[in-house]
Amino acid sequence: NAGVTQTPKFRILKIGQSMTLQCAQDMNHNYMYWYRQDPGMGLKLIYYSVGAGITDKGEVPNGYNVSRSTTEDFPLRLELAAPSQTSVYFCASSYRQGGPNEKLFFGSGTQLSVL
Amino acid sequence: AQSVTQPDIHITVSEGASLELRCNYSYGATPYLFWYVQSPGQGLQLLLKYFSGDTLVQGIKGFEAEFKRSQSSFNLRKPSVHWSDAAEYFCALRGGFQKLVFGTGTRLLVSP
Repeated sequence: NAGVTQTPKFRILKIGQSMTLQCAQDMNHNYMYWYRQDPGMGLKLIYYSVGAGITDKGEVPNGYNVSRSTTEDFPLRLELAAPSQTSVYFCASSYRQGGPNEKLFFGSGTQLSVL
Repeated sequence: AQSVTQPDIHITVSEGASLELRCNYSYGATPYLFWYVQSPGQGLQLLLKYFSGDTLVQGIKGFEAEFKRSQSSFNLRKPSVHWSDAAEYFCALRGGFQKLVFGTGTRLLVSP
């Protein structure tokens, strides 16, 4: 089982460039999430999805877009990269949300630098 | 509003010594509480979780945590730390069906 797979692992962007961070899970999880992790700030939720075709904003959605056309994939799009988007990005998935069986599975992260 | 506070940014523990990482939360009812661990260059992995019932929760890798409602705390403990436990530890809270909120993390350093 691959679990949650994120690509790329590292990327350097120039200001104003765009890119897509890929995330795929093979556990048939309905719930998927994108977090960013900044030093000393913990994880902040960018966007999440409760199933194919359904997405919603998290705490820090500005500058990002997502789509969920399949259960497996949940790409994160940066349209006009800004230095403030320099961060480590984590994708996660879970089978359930808000109950005793809740458990998030995380990918290994994408380190993004915008220069 | 719900929030999680991890007051210690860094903690250094000698190998073989006991460990306690602090987590305090703010939420109006009984929350769902989690501890996740992040090894260098890796994503987060669930160590343990509390939903209801027994306030002392056992997790993987020999960790345990105790939910104390009166103190709004959910501290993580381990009786004897191994060098491989060096990592960053995150406490997290979910209030009902609200968003999962993470603390800012505590980095554990293990000295020989």
